[in-house]
Amino acid sequence: QVQLQESGPGLVKPSETLSLTCTVSGGSISSYYWSWIRQPPGKGLEWIGYIYYSGSTNYNPSLKSRVTISVDTSKNQFSLKLSSVTAADTAVYYCARHFPLDYLDVWGKGTTVTVSS
Amino acid sequence: QSVLTQPPSASGTPGQRVTISCSGSSSNIGSNYVYWYQQLPGTAPKLLIYRNNQRPSGVPDRFSGSKSGTSASLAISGLRSEDEADYYCAAWDDSLSGPWVFGGGTKLTVL
Repeated sequence: QVQLQESGPGLVKPSETLSLTCTVSGGSISSYYWSWIRQPPGKGLEWIGYIYYSGSTNYNPSLKSRVTISVDTSKNQFSLKLSSVTAADTAVYYCARHFPLDYLDVWGKGTTVTVSS
Repeated sequence: QSVLTQPPSASGTPGQRVTISCSGSSSNIGSNYVYWYQQLPGTAPKLLIYRNNQRPSGVPDRFSGSKSGTSASLAISGLRSEDEADYYCAAWDDSLSGPWVFGGGTKLTVL
C-alpha cells in the first residue's frame, strides 16, 4: 500500500526558501499527479500545486510566483520549493497522491514548518 | 476567502442526522465532481466521499454526499462522538482560481 512521507527543515527564516521532499513508498510515482497542500495553524486547507510524474505542473494562482514543484522518478520523490517566505507561510505541509481529474486519496502525515528569525 | 463556501460550524447530538453544505459556482461544483474530506484532530485529511456521492471502501454508509447545481451537501446520519472533526469539500475548478479548490472547512461538534 502506498505511503507518503514529508521531510525537510522545520524552521525557515523570513525571506528564505522553504524546501520539502515527499518520498513515495509501496508503489510507483508514475501515472499519478502528486500534490502539496498546506494548513496554517487553526485554519483550513490550501492546495499549493501538483506535478505529474512526467514533470508537468499546475499551481495555485495565489502562490504561483513563489512555488516550484519538481519530481525525481528515480528516487520516487517529489519536492516543493516556496521562495521569499513570511510568517504567513507557517503551516503544516502535506503531500498527497492526486488521481488525474479526480480525488486526493493517500496523504502524508504532514510536517510543520515555522517561518521565524 | 475560499472559493467554495462552507458554514464554519455545525453540531448535533448522538444519533441525529446533520448536513454540511458547500456552495460554489459554475466553474467548479457546477461542472465538476465534489469531494469531501474528514480531518480528525491532529491528523491528515481522509477521503470521505468522491465523485459527489461515492464512498471509498471502509467509509460507513452513515456518510452520504449529494450535489445539485452549484451546491453540494454532506449528510451524516446516526451521529457518533467519533464523527467530531473538521469536514472539507473540494472540487476541480475550470476558472483562474483552479485547478483544485477546497472549501473553508466546517467544524462538526457532537454535543
